[in-house]
Amino acid sequence: GAVVSQHPSRVICKSGTSVKIECRSLDFQATTMFWYRQFPKQSLMLMATSNEGSKATYEQGVEKDKFLINHASLTLSTLTVTSAHPEDSSFYICSASLPGLAGGPGETQYFGPGTRLLVL
Amino acid sequence: QQQVKQSPQSLIVQKGGISIINCAYENTAFDYFPWYQQFPGKGPALLIAIRPDVSEKKEGRFTISFNKSAKQFSLHIMDSQPGDSATYFCAASIGGYSSASKIIFGSGTRLSIRP
Repeated sequence: GAVVSQHPSRVICKSGTSVKIECRSLDFQATTMFWYRQFPKQSLMLMATSNEGSKATYEQGVEKDKFLINHASLTLSTLTVTSAHPEDSSFYICSASLPGLAGGPGETQYFGPGTRLLVL
Repeated sequence: QQQVKQSPQSLIVQKGGISIINCAYENTAFDYFPWYQQFPGKGPALLIAIRPDVSEKKEGRFTISFNKSAKQFSLHIMDSQPGDSATYFCAASIGGYSSASKIIFGSGTRLSIRP
């Protein structure tokens, strides 16, 4: 259980176009999803926290108008990179939070397989 | 204070040996310390996690040692195998039973197991 999928797995686009990345929790409902960005040989950098039915919370330095996040349902969050430029090329990873039960081990985040974006 | 410092940056271990990765933190509010394994081109996968009320947790060949007073924790991989070659991230968060919390990742350790 606790599987998170991302689509597409890889995308190549021209500079100036917009790209949408989907993140789905396949077998559980996630009230909170997270979006990360990872450059080659580097750690994951949190971009934003997405809560179902409300506006995303962006980390400092992340342009909210460039990285549009929508969390329309308990199993789907989307990240749209608007007017993409070569510097936006990166590996984008989402995670979905599976809440813990009372008295249990607490919530756990499960990560998707990532989306490789290349902007030409 | 939100950082999690991880070392070494890279590690080469002979097959059958013990791989040890160390992490340190400053924020005493952290109460959940997971370790993630990531293969190239894939998302990170939860390997093992510990809460600060225990000093050690073992799952198969993987063990977390936790030193609350020193604010340090480490991952030990026993009998390391070539299939363990991956990048490992330690992390920390302030968890809760009903709310999702941000995970702060260490910088990662690239582990290579020599046959």
